[in-house]
Amino acid sequence: AQSVTQPDIHITVSEGASLELRCNYSYGATPYLFWYVQSPGQGLQLLLKYFSGDTLVQGIKGFEAEFKRSQSSFNLRKPSVHWSDAAEYFCAVGSTGGGNKLTFGTGTQLKVEL
Amino acid sequence: GAGVSQSPSNKVTEKGKDVELRCDPISGHTALYWYRQSLGQGLEFLIYFQGNSAPDKSGLPSDRFSAERTGGSVSTLTIQRTQQEDSAVYLCASSLLRGGANEQFFGPGTRLTVL
Repeated sequence: AQSVTQPDIHITVSEGASLELRCNYSYGATPYLFWYVQSPGQGLQLLLKYFSGDTLVQGIKGFEAEFKRSQSSFNLRKPSVHWSDAAEYFCAVGSTGGGNKLTFGTGTQLKVEL
Repeated sequence: GAGVSQSPSNKVTEKGKDVELRCDPISGHTALYWYRQSLGQGLEFLIYFQGNSAPDKSGLPSDRFSAERTGGSVSTLTIQRTQQEDSAVYLCASSLLRGGANEQFFGPGTRLTVL
């Protein structure tokens, strides 16, 4: 069965600092990978996705992620964090068959210090 | 265009009552998903509809949970005889399936509280 691990439950960074959120997945084939962000009281917003091709993908709000097959990882990065980036971030893997239902990690809560 | 909408945004009910949660997907999206977000379990898949195919119910936690999708559009998630452990945020998502890969667009969720 597919699974996603986000080892960091909470991360605090200073505004302007760089950010990396870790995500490791378990899946038997090439996965579909996603990063979503959830602000308090809001639904999930897609930041970026990887289906195939270039392993470095660019998303919205200045985020990027790199797919590393050898490490089964899909870490999210941002060079300079803004206070408005404070939110919860979810990594997800989608099955390549059967409708691509998503399996989510447990999320990483990001706090930004001014 | 309009995104995925869900109603009600909040629902408080008493243990043992039935509740219905509604989802309006993005127009033209053929796939519709229900997920549940709770403190203890995180984000869990519940059920998936695709066109006229039989739904994938593999994530439903018990037979008290059911869902239907009428006319390939609006979906209703029904929870019968609610229990306190059903308290959670229920999220709906829709997508266009293209060759198996898709991007799911999520609604704002319905927060269910069972007293």
